[in-house]
Amino acid sequence: QQPVQSPQAVILREGEDAVINCSSSKALYSVHWYRQKHGEAPVFLMILLKGGEQKGHDKISASFNEKKQQSSLYLTASQLSYSGTYFCGTQSRGSGTYKYIFGTGTRLKVLA
Amino acid sequence: DVKVTQSSRYLVKRTGEKVFLECVQDMDHENMFWYRQDPGLGLRLIYFSYDVKMKEKGDIPEGYSVSREKKERFSLILESASTNQTSMYLCASSSGTGEVNTEAFFGQGTRLTVV
Repeated sequence: QQPVQSPQAVILREGEDAVINCSSSKALYSVHWYRQKHGEAPVFLMILLKGGEQKGHDKISASFNEKKQQSSLYLTASQLSYSGTYFCGTQSRGSGTYKYIFGTGTRLKVLA
Repeated sequence: DVKVTQSSRYLVKRTGEKVFLECVQDMDHENMFWYRQDPGLGLRLIYFSYDVKMKEKGDIPEGYSVSREKKERFSLILESASTNQTSMYLCASSSGTGEVNTEAFFGQGTRLTVV
């Protein structure tokens, strides 16, 4: 039911790049990405609204392949501040609203 | 600054106790959600609510109930706490009932330990 993220964990040095993948067994109509720093609340990064869409946010960007039911988050020239746990998510219709279904999470640590 | 506030950061309870986790949001959001976060399992939806007194089960509702008597407040209740309910609990809210593609705002979480 949950989207599956890979890798589960990754360690980088500052300046290196990383890719986090999100794969769903159900059709995805939109994909959300959030980052949670240790001890803090998850924070919204971006939404991708339709297949093939790519978005960027500073040096963090994402793509969405609706056909493959996959999304990828790209972190380029990583900074120490990128450390945290990243979640992909999607919205699914409940009886009265859209509920958020989140992935299994990817822990990312950036070392100096 | 928008806020979702959870009443406790840390809680320790005994097996069999009834436990209340409280969440308050100040954004006048219609939707509120409770998740539990466990290593390797990500965020799993327990219950959500789209209006006062309205609730719907998420993916793992067993052993939990919820209450929403006021729009800004959503409570998670563990009827009889068990050790397998030891976890981090996160509350979230979002606007709109017929809207898709709005972001969720999260509280800082309550780390519950059941002994």
